[in-house]
Amino acid sequence: EAQVTQNPRYLITVTGKKLTVTCSQNMNHEYMSWYRQDPGLGLRQIYYSMNVEVTDKGDVPEGYKVSRKEKRNFPLILESPSPNQTSLYFCASSREAAKNSPLHFGNGTRLTVT
Amino acid sequence: TQLLEQSPQFLSIQEGENLTVYCNSSSVFSSLQWYRQEPGEGPVLLVTVVTGGEVKKLKRLTFQFGDARKDSSLHITAAQPGDTGLYLCAGAESGAGSYQLTFGKGTKLSVIP
Repeated sequence: EAQVTQNPRYLITVTGKKLTVTCSQNMNHEYMSWYRQDPGLGLRQIYYSMNVEVTDKGDVPEGYKVSRKEKRNFPLILESPSPNQTSLYFCASSREAAKNSPLHFGNGTRLTVT
Repeated sequence: TQLLEQSPQFLSIQEGENLTVYCNSSSVFSSLQWYRQEPGEGPVLLVTVVTGGEVKKLKRLTFQFGDARKDSSLHITAAQPGDTGLYLCAGAESGAGSYQLTFGKGTKLSVIP
């Protein structure tokens, strides 16, 4: 089954404790992206990747890192999480640049930073 | 980043009623996508419109792209409880070198049985 898999689904952590949210897609998609979704603010892009070893900042990249060492994986790293990073996070992928093909989303990771 | 304004923000209607939600911008988009997101899940694509004036139908859902490619609407006929969810529009900026989608904040629809 074609899908985008995120782990974990739920995560509660404390300020400053490094964490990684994994994202993997099995569709051989070139484009991958991370979003955060907050009430009243909608979906905001954190980082995106056009292909392996190519990443770029989205609208809200501060406090986040990503890497794209393999085509299928695009982990999101929070080196020193803070409470304002409490949010619902979505990973998404598409066959090519998102403007030309639909995004396939994972089921989300709900992160709470205390 | 271009802005997409969606209205209304919230909509609660009875089963069987018709409704229209809107997605507007002052900027031109080369294409526009509509997604539906159900609680606990990621958004799922419903349709992509690319031509000004284009109308696409998906069962009881009718999508229209404005002639000037600055706005879009989604009309649902005879709404059912299964239509409940968050409806998101997302636009691709017009012009070369633009690779990102801009999302509206969504319309949260509740259809009451």
